[in-house]
Amino acid sequence: ETGVTQSPTHLIKTRGQQVTLRCSSQSGHNTVSWYQQALGQGPQFIFQYYREEENGRGNFPPRFSGLQFPNYSSELNVNALELDDSALYLCASSLDRGGYNEQFFGPGTRLTVL
Amino acid sequence: GEDVEQSLFLSVREGDSSVINCTYTDSSSTYLYWYKQEPGAGLQLLTYIFSNMDMKQDQRLTVLLNKKDKHLSLRIADTQTGDSAIYFCAEREAGGYNKLIFGAGTRLAVHP
Repeated sequence: ETGVTQSPTHLIKTRGQQVTLRCSSQSGHNTVSWYQQALGQGPQFIFQYYREEENGRGNFPPRFSGLQFPNYSSELNVNALELDDSALYLCASSLDRGGYNEQFFGPGTRLTVL
Repeated sequence: GEDVEQSLFLSVREGDSSVINCTYTDSSSTYLYWYKQEPGAGLQLLTYIFSNMDMKQDQRLTVLLNKKDKHLSLRIADTQTGDSAIYFCAEREAGGYNKLIFGAGTRLAVHP
């Protein structure tokens, strides 16, 4: 059973650019969530996808968007990058069967916006 | 609103017990979690507790939940240098999806 992987590990962009971050869920998982972790803070929920549909969103603007593919891999897209978007972006996958479902986190992608 | 608060720093001597505290505001939370994050790494789930439990023990880890005061604690017995990390408390928001609300993290430093 492979774990959650993310790519790239690190990324440097400039203000106004667009970025795509990728996540490969743990085998058999049907749900993926994305979190933003700014330096010195806890992760903040961006959104969640379940079976390719967004089914929950945190307090992030529409320039943060995502996709989940039939193989349950996922992308996070951020348009019009701002300096404050610099953070560690974490994805977490889980198998949603109702009740408790453990989220397995990937190692994250560190995005720096200059 | 939703908020999870933790003290920012804890320093303990190797072999002592560590107690990390957390308060949360959402009384309808179903699950509460403790995660560990080492430098440059993602989050590792240490343990969780269901909201109808008062205590959960898992090897060196003991979680205590006081629902009345909305207080959660994590006790690490016989703390080792390998336990040095940032510890996050998180609550699962009540509702149809798996949104976790995290505290800012407690940095645990273990010294000889």
